[in-house]
Amino acid sequence: DGGITQSPKYLFRKEGQNVTLSCEQNLNHDAMYWYRQDPGQGLRLIYYSQIVNDFQKGDIAEGYSVSREKKESFPLTVTSAQKNPTAFYLCASRETENSNQPQHFGDGTRLSIL
Amino acid sequence: GESVGLHLPTLSVQEGDNSIINCAYSNSASDYFIWYKQESGKGPQFIIDIRSNMDKRQGQRVTVLLNKTVKHLSLQIAATQPGDSAVYFCAENFGKTSGSRLTFGEGTQLTVNP
Repeated sequence: DGGITQSPKYLFRKEGQNVTLSCEQNLNHDAMYWYRQDPGQGLRLIYYSQIVNDFQKGDIAEGYSVSREKKESFPLTVTSAQKNPTAFYLCASRETENSNQPQHFGDGTRLSIL
Repeated sequence: GESVGLHLPTLSVQEGDNSIINCAYSNSASDYFIWYKQESGKGPQFIIDIRSNMDKRQGQRVTVLLNKTVKHLSLQIAATQPGDSAVYFCAENFGKTSGSRLTFGEGTQLTVNP
C-alpha cells in the first residue's frame, strides 16, 4: 500500500539529547512537511521541503533541523535547543508544493521528555 | 447539531442526526480548502476538498460549503454515526509563487452519542 510511515510511534528524550524522527513515503511525492501538534490545538508547520536537497523553515523552526537527501525520506531532528519538545509530531506529503491537492499524513510520533 | 469553530470547539450529536461543523478562514486569497478528520492518536485523514471557484461539493455522506464573501467554510455530515466521532480540522491553502502553504484551524471535537 502507498502511504507515509513515521517511526517510532513513541519516543522519549533525555535532557540535552538530540533525537531524530523518521518519515518515509512511497507516494512519489515531491513535497514533504513536518508539523507539531500540542494538546487541543491545530497543526503548526516546522519545516517543509518542495524538492530533494531543498527545504525551508516553517513557523516554528527554532530548535529543529531537517534534511532531504532522498525523495522518499524527510527526517526531523529535535535538538537540545528545543526547550519544550513534548508534542505529537506529524509528517505529511503532497504531490507537488504548488498543486491544489491535499496533504497526506502519517500516524505521528509522540515525543516526551524523561 | 452545529458548531461555530473556535467559539465552540466541541459538538455533541445523537446518532442519525446531521452534523454541521463550521470554520472561519483568514485569508481572502486562499484558493483551496480541505477538511480533515483526526482520530485519537492518529494522523489527520483527508475527507473532502473544495476549490475557490466552487461553493459546494458533495462526497459520501459529507458536503462542504464555501462562502467566500464572509470567509466561511462548513462541513455537513449526514446521518452521523459513532465512527464519525473525532476532531475535524479545516485547512486553507494560499500562495503559489513562493510555495503554497496549508494553514490549519484549531479543530472541532465531534462526539456522536448512540
